[in-house]
Amino acid sequence: DGGITQSPKYLFRKEGQNVTLSCEQNLNHDAMYWYRQDPGQGLRLIYYSQIVNDFQKGDIAEGYSVSREKKESFPLTVTSAQKNPTAFYLCASSIRPGGGSETQYFGPGTRLLVL
Amino acid sequence: GQQVMQIPQYQHVQEGEDFTTYCNSSTTLSNIQWYKQRPGGHPVFLIQLVKSGEVKKQKRLTFQFGEAKKNSSLHITATQTTDVGTYFCAGPGYGGATNKLIFGTGTLLAVQP
Repeated sequence: DGGITQSPKYLFRKEGQNVTLSCEQNLNHDAMYWYRQDPGQGLRLIYYSQIVNDFQKGDIAEGYSVSREKKESFPLTVTSAQKNPTAFYLCASSIRPGGGSETQYFGPGTRLLVL
Repeated sequence: GQQVMQIPQYQHVQEGEDFTTYCNSSTTLSNIQWYKQRPGGHPVFLIQLVKSGEVKKQKRLTFQFGEAKKNSSLHITATQTTDVGTYFCAGPGYGGATNKLIFGTGTLLAVQP
């Protein structure tokens, strides 16, 4: 059963704590993306990766970090430098790079709450 | 910077009524995509339009890409409760940002049975 999985579904972070959100895909897609969605708003791009061992900053990368050591995995770390991390985080992938013209397939998302 | 705006932000209709959302880009787009996000869910791809003036239909949904490739619309005929959700348009970034998909602000559709 192919698809994108994200874990955990809900995550609670204490002040000053780093947390890592998991994103795994078994679609054999080259490109992967991380978006942030705030209530009632659209999606904003955090980071994206077109190939393994390469990634680029999106529009709101400050306070976040990523890695792409394997094709199927693209974890996102929300660092303590991100002052307002409460949001819905969505991971997506596309068959090929060139995300602006490629269909993106989304995972179920992780809701991060700050305690 | 590049902006993709949608109107209305929210629309409430009675089941059976029609619904239209409009998408406007500040720059010309090579293509436009539409996604639907159910409440509490994740965006799901609906369709992609590429040609100027293109019209595509999916059952009760009609998608149109403007002649100038700067705007698009989604029209739903005879809405059903299953149509509830937020509809997003999305287009490629401008200039050196073509690897990014820029999402519109979204239109939340509520359907009253």
